[in-house]
Amino acid sequence: DADVTQTPRNRITKTGKRIMLECSQTKGHDRMYWYRQDPGLGLRLIYYSFDVKDINKGEISDGYSVSRQAQAKFSLSLESAIPNQTALYFCATSQGTTTGELFFGEGSRLTVL
Amino acid sequence: KNEVEQSPQNLTAQEGEFITINCSYSVGISALHWLQQHPGGGIVSLFMLSSGKKKHGRLIATINIQEKHSSLHITASHPRDSAVYICAVPQGGSEKLVFGKGTKLTVNP
Repeated sequence: DADVTQTPRNRITKTGKRIMLECSQTKGHDRMYWYRQDPGLGLRLIYYSFDVKDINKGEISDGYSVSRQAQAKFSLSLESAIPNQTALYFCATSQGTTTGELFFGEGSRLTVL
Repeated sequence: KNEVEQSPQNLTAQEGEFITINCSYSVGISALHWLQQHPGGGIVSLFMLSSGKKKHGRLIATINIQEKHSSLHITASHPRDSAVYICAVPQGGSEKLVFGKGTKLTVNP
């Protein structure tokens, strides 16, 4: 089994729809992250969580929300999807970005029409 | 904010060649990550280093803290090394990473 599992892997939706991307990890790490990747822009941090009760905004959190249901589960929601949220989304986990390596999920490709 | 620059943006090599990818950053850091993104999109961590050099198989990563520069070397390159290689550094010692835009490597047989 993969260390970090994301679902769905691909989703096509329409403007205004609510979308949830789910992530689970088996590494036992406290820290989890959601990133967005757009062509030519590199990865950008949406939200990160130190533990179930500690959630923090990243650099592009507008239009997104997250939920940390358990140490192993971190979900990302788009309450009302818009076309410029079309992107590749990655969940990741680590012991800490200055102390340990990152473990990424396979990515969720979201298309908003 | 830490700025991360990678060079080259694109690199084409013949199988067996020695490859070097460079990463420069603007603010002092405690650690630097090298990542590999496969053509299918998945991202794998190759190295996290804070000083000196690390080696894993045919991959070698070096960092010069004083010069704010890191290099990723691939010896005896192979077509399966074709991928995008991404450098990332922490933003001010926080959990936020600043990512380079990546170097796309193509190794031809």
